[in-house]
Amino acid sequence: QQQVKQSPQSLIVQKGGIPIINCAYENTAFDYFPWYQQFPGKGPALLIAIRPDVSEKKEGRFTISFNKSAKQFSLHIMDSQPGDSATYFCAASKASSGSARQLTFGSGTQLTVLP
Amino acid sequence: DTGVSQNPRHKITKRGQNVTFRCDPISEHNRLYWYRQTLGQGPEFLTYFQNEAQLEKSRLLSDRFSAERPKGSFSTLEIQRTEQGDSAMYLCASSFRGTGIMNEQYFGPGTRLTVT
Repeated sequence: QQQVKQSPQSLIVQKGGIPIINCAYENTAFDYFPWYQQFPGKGPALLIAIRPDVSEKKEGRFTISFNKSAKQFSLHIMDSQPGDSATYFCAASKASSGSARQLTFGSGTQLTVLP
Repeated sequence: DTGVSQNPRHKITKRGQNVTFRCDPISEHNRLYWYRQTLGQGPEFLTYFQNEAQLEKSRLLSDRFSAERPKGSFSTLEIQRTEQGDSAMYLCASSFRGTGIMNEQYFGPGTRLTVT
């Protein structure tokens, strides 16, 4: 019930394309959905996050679309650049009895943007 | 640099040895998390501190693992009697508990452990 499923596992697009990464969750108690970007040998970096009371959020070239009824959310990267080549993780969290908001991560999508 | 820092960045140890990692969170952050990431997978939660109190532990955290945050600032993660299955990237993240902030966790660069 804690699982977050992410697809695709890998994605290759041309420069300027719009890669879309999808995630689905089961636990309706999740109420915070961030996306992280990770380069090899580095820790994950927070990109953008959304709460389920909104259906879309944009920050720069990154957009999250959220479908509460379907329990799905996705990341769109507009005008993708070779520098966007990285692994992207979706995640979800909920309040817990110990006050932690541990993140449950998807399995990651390796994005390659060709020049 | 005011981000989360972790030391060492890499650690190679022999099976059966003990290792200790350190995490220095962002200075005003009172919440600190440890995660473990294996190759090709997303990070998995290990444990959580609010100030100096360890409030949650994952079932992944066997009794060979111990974490401390003695003064509510830096934290250490110790693994005793390391096993090859402990080889992974150990990530630390911190966040600030405050009204209206939904737990934006900021990660350090990680410590990569290799057990030979």
